[in-house]
Amino acid sequence: NAGVTQTPKFRVLKTGQSMTLLCAQDMNHEYMYWYRQDPGMGLRLIHYSVGEGTTAKGEVPDGYNVSRLKKQNFLLGLESAAPSQTSVYFCASSYGYGNEQYFGPGTRLTVT
Amino acid sequence: RKEVEQDPGPFNVPEGATVAFNCTYSNSASQSFFWYRQDCRKEPKLLMSVYSSGNEDGRFTAQLNRASQYISLLIRDSKLSDSATYLCVATGGSYIPTFGRGTSLIVHP
Repeated sequence: NAGVTQTPKFRVLKTGQSMTLLCAQDMNHEYMYWYRQDPGMGLRLIHYSVGEGTTAKGEVPDGYNVSRLKKQNFLLGLESAAPSQTSVYFCASSYGYGNEQYFGPGTRLTVT
Repeated sequence: RKEVEQDPGPFNVPEGATVAFNCTYSNSASQSFFWYRQDCRKEPKLLMSVYSSGNEDGRFTAQLNRASQYISLLIRDSKLSDSATYLCVATGGSYIPTFGRGTSLIVHP
């Protein structure tokens, strides 16, 4: 099992550009999450999904959109990147509510 | 006030020492608790779940105090390889797990 994978691993964007981050899991987990991690801020939840076709806002959803068209994939989109979105983005999945999460290796995004 | 709070440290301890971290949570409806370990520039990895009765995994012991709303992690006989950031997580009445900002541990020779 690959577990949770994320693509790309690194990306540099110019302000105003758009991009999509892909998260895939092969553990048949229902729940998937997108976090960002900034120095001194810890992990902050952007959006999450409790099943295929569902999405919900987390703590810091502004400037991001998500889609969960297939159970194994969770996409995070930035429509118009801003320097404030420079961060490390982690995807995670869990079997269900209250279960432990498994994280992908992260995407390091720089917006100039 | 953040829902889950941790002392950021760093805790600087010699090899072989015993070190303990606490983590407080504000949502009394929280039901699930975990400790994760995160190495520099890596993803968080599950260290252990935290049960009401307390649980132990080798040198690591986790405990939950519901009355005072905190969880703890005890590391005995610290190794150099234990140097990392330790994150606590509480999942409350919503679907959202809430992470603390992490406690940094540095184990030196």
